[in-house]
Amino acid sequence: DVKVTQSSRYLVKRTGEKVFLECVQDMDHENMFWYRQDPGLGLRLIYFSYDVKMKEKGDIPEGYSVSREKKERFSLILESASTNQTSMYLCASSLRDSNQPQHFGDGTRLSIL
Amino acid sequence: AQSVSQHNHHVILSEAASLELGCNYSYGGTVNLFWYVQYPGQHLQLLLKYFSGDPLVKGIKGFEAEFIKSKFSFNLRKPSVQWSDTAEYFCALSGNRDDKIIFGKGTRLHILP
Repeated sequence: DVKVTQSSRYLVKRTGEKVFLECVQDMDHENMFWYRQDPGLGLRLIYFSYDVKMKEKGDIPEGYSVSREKKERFSLILESASTNQTSMYLCASSLRDSNQPQHFGDGTRLSIL
Repeated sequence: AQSVSQHNHHVILSEAASLELGCNYSYGGTVNLFWYVQYPGQHLQLLLKYFSGDPLVKGIKGFEAEFIKSKFSFNLRKPSVQWSDTAEYFCALSGNRDDKIIFGKGTRLHILP
């Protein structure tokens, strides 16, 4: 069974801090994704990656960056955290094929004070 | 523009009632369609998917969905719901041009015991 592991379930940070969210998958998936989930807005794609060292902007990339140095790991970085980035962050991975489903981690609930 | 629209944001039913959650999409090409479910406190997981063949797709836990191309719809159904079906349900699509998945805003389903 596919396992997508996010480093923290809950995280509290202060405005202006640099925040790292880590995600690891164990199924050799080519694709990895970062979303944020907010009530009434569904899932919004922040960034995704089809391969190591490769990244593409999603729908809401402002204020975020990503890193994919190894195939199994995809990191989301909040360069200077702001209160409007308080949210649930979801990582997902999939095989490279548009008909393949995505497999999700448990999510990180991030609060920026 | 590519989009997924879920008609109901919040649905409340009694146990044993029949369920139909609406999903319409907009996409200029061949689509793959998904329904995901998120039980309280758990990660998103795939309920069912359609990418070709029989437009009536059966998924886990007694759910099914029908792809009606002429109506751009992919509604989710279950003949008799249980209290354990309380969850948030997301309709999603991907196109054959890339591996991104576009999610609807979700429908919160609450089943009364």
